[in-house]
Amino acid sequence: DIVVTQSPDSLAVSLGERATINCKSSQSVLYSSNNKNYLAWFQQKPGQPPKLLIYWASTRESGVPGRFSGSGSGTDFTLTISSLQAEDVAVYYCQQYYRPPYTFGQGTKLEIK
Amino acid sequence: EVQLVQSGAEVKKPGESLKISCKGSGYSFTSYWIGWVRQMPGKGLEWMGIVNPGDSDTRYSPSFQGQVTISADKSISTAYLQWSSLEASDTAMYFCAKQGGAVTFDSWGQGTLVTVSS
Repeated sequence: DIVVTQSPDSLAVSLGERATINCKSSQSVLYSSNNKNYLAWFQQKPGQPPKLLIYWASTRESGVPGRFSGSGSGTDFTLTISSLQAEDVAVYYCQQYYRPPYTFGQGTKLEIK
Repeated sequence: EVQLVQSGAEVKKPGESLKISCKGSGYSFTSYWIGWVRQMPGKGLEWMGIVNPGDSDTRYSPSFQGQVTISADKSISTAYLQWSSLEASDTAMYFCAKQGGAVTFDSWGQGTLVTVSS
């Protein structure tokens, strides 16, 4: 299985400040034939199902605010929230979908400082 | 609008069987794989497996292979997750999700809470 590890496990950021979450996969998730990274980011708020934010490592899902961005390639990836809003309090997960099982990271809990 | 509607919460005893469902609407059900994800109380997301509703091809995580059965009935646009003999450790929220064109889960059900207790 491809192991996906996130850091940090939890993060407290002031409103309006930048939040950065890292994700590392044990193997490259870059598919050479189409040059796409099979890495997604999800947001889960309490009592709700996860919501897809980013796919192909850097493509925002329709309707996701522009303050969310994804970057990285190969084995190292980052989710950035450029200006934290109160509604961004949630747990964030990265997931590789390069090879089944499509494993998730352990999650990063984002709170307001 | 794409919708995945899951069956209601279940309370079962150890050793009992269970089948929960996920009904898709608003899209071509046979064109996209459906997956199941476990979330144990206070824990993270675990990918269990996926089914192709078009031909019932399935893929399981090794962690769940032999422990559950994933299936689909395309005639009623419904996917299933079933257990033959539940254990207390199966207590969790279970989500179904549709794989989109980007090959990951772009729409999710509301979740089904399964509680196994004697």
